[in-house]
Amino acid sequence: GAGVSQTPSNKVTEKGKYVELRCDPISGHTALYWYRQSLGQGPEFLIYFQGTGAADDSGLPNDRFFAVRPEGSVSTLKIQRTERGDSAVYLCASSLGGIRAPLHFGNGTRLTVT
Amino acid sequence: AQTVTQSQPEMSVQEAETVTLSCTYDTSESDYYLFWYKQPPSRQMILVIRQEAYKQQNATENRFSVNFQKAAKSFSLKISDSQLGDAAMYFCAYRSSGRGSTLGRLYFGRGTQLTVWP
Repeated sequence: GAGVSQTPSNKVTEKGKYVELRCDPISGHTALYWYRQSLGQGPEFLIYFQGTGAADDSGLPNDRFFAVRPEGSVSTLKIQRTERGDSAVYLCASSLGGIRAPLHFGNGTRLTVT
Repeated sequence: AQTVTQSQPEMSVQEAETVTLSCTYDTSESDYYLFWYKQPPSRQMILVIRQEAYKQQNATENRFSVNFQKAAKSFSLKISDSQLGDAAMYFCAYRSSGRGSTLGRLYFGRGTQLTVWP
């Protein structure tokens, strides 16, 4: 079956622009996560959705970052007024929910802010 | 917050040999999960093995096994009979088993780049 799909695979944008990153989770997965992986680092948690609601958004670095999941399936991570420090790989993962359910990751979106 | 430390930025192994990757973590919780993920150049994080802290027996998945030392907060990964396809970045990760909003959060180390020589 299809895995977690993230689009675009790569995104180059200019400083100050607005970007949207999309995540299509595995069908039926109620939990969805966003992580950010900077160069040479491990992924860092951004936000966790259970269904349509953000159960934990404490990892969002500032108010330029926002994420939605309006129908409990596809999620969009939105970054306003991008900065060069936002350059990273943004990873999405989904699971069936619950502590025992493994996370399934997508291939990520590499964002480059010039 | 929990921290995960991988002290080996790079490791290398000869094909068919055995290699061990190290990981330590810091937590005040008694129940949690530990994971090893593999990240090839495709960027996808692939689960290699997981360990539940309440289980004393070390997890094993084919050529992959762990040495879980709860008191020492150590969780190393052993890869036996290394294959060229094992070459990747390996991440150790921690997940709380507590209820509530922290359920979804994984804490990752900085990774170990494994090279496999033919």
